[in-house]
Amino acid sequence: AQKVTQAQTEISVVEKEDVTLDCVYETRDTTYYLFWYKQPPSGELVFLIRRNSFDEQNEISGRYSWNFQKSTSSFNFTITASQVVDSAVYFCALTRHRDDKIIFGKGTRLHILP
Amino acid sequence: EADIYQTPRYLVIGTGKKITLECSQTMGHDKMYWYQQDPGMELHLIHYSYGVNSTEKGDLSSESTVSRIRTEHFPLTLESARPSHTSQYLCASQPSRAVNTEAFFGQGTRLTVV
Repeated sequence: AQKVTQAQTEISVVEKEDVTLDCVYETRDTTYYLFWYKQPPSGELVFLIRRNSFDEQNEISGRYSWNFQKSTSSFNFTITASQVVDSAVYFCALTRHRDDKIIFGKGTRLHILP
Repeated sequence: EADIYQTPRYLVIGTGKKITLECSQTMGHDKMYWYQQDPGMELHLIHYSYGVNSTEKGDLSSESTVSRIRTEHFPLTLESARPSHTSQYLCASQPSRAVNTEAFFGQGTRLTVV
């Protein structure tokens, strides 16, 4: 069975603080893909990053960074020096290699307070 | 920027009415999806299509139906709307040429049935 767990339903931090969004996944497949999407108030989900199961290298893109650890089945997302514009719902997701059906976590609503 | 469009953005309609939510993409993607998003943020896959004349039901049972007569168009129809259909509906597409690429989402239709 495949499953994505985002244990944090809602987080509030003050602007400029760092914040980490947790994502834990379950799959029996050896080849799989992990994603993060952002859903701003406008409604559409915006793709942020994709990682395949063979690439455990962490990634940094500006204020965003991702920590992929297969040993703990986690794919955590950190925003450094948060800004009000980062306020959104963030979804972690998983797909298997053999099909593209996306398994989403339940999302974490992030509030960045000015 | 993703070229996937949903209309209308907002719809308030009376119980028993027939409605069609439109979704169009100009990217030539074969795979298209409909998600229902409840107020608690969770995304539920209700329909998907892997190409023209292909439609499948998703993980969440839905009274809606879909059709895929043209690659670019994937409308969702409710024959008789009920208050329980009140929700946000998100359409998405994915290219099938590459494996496990990200999905592109429309801005959603927020449906209210009164």
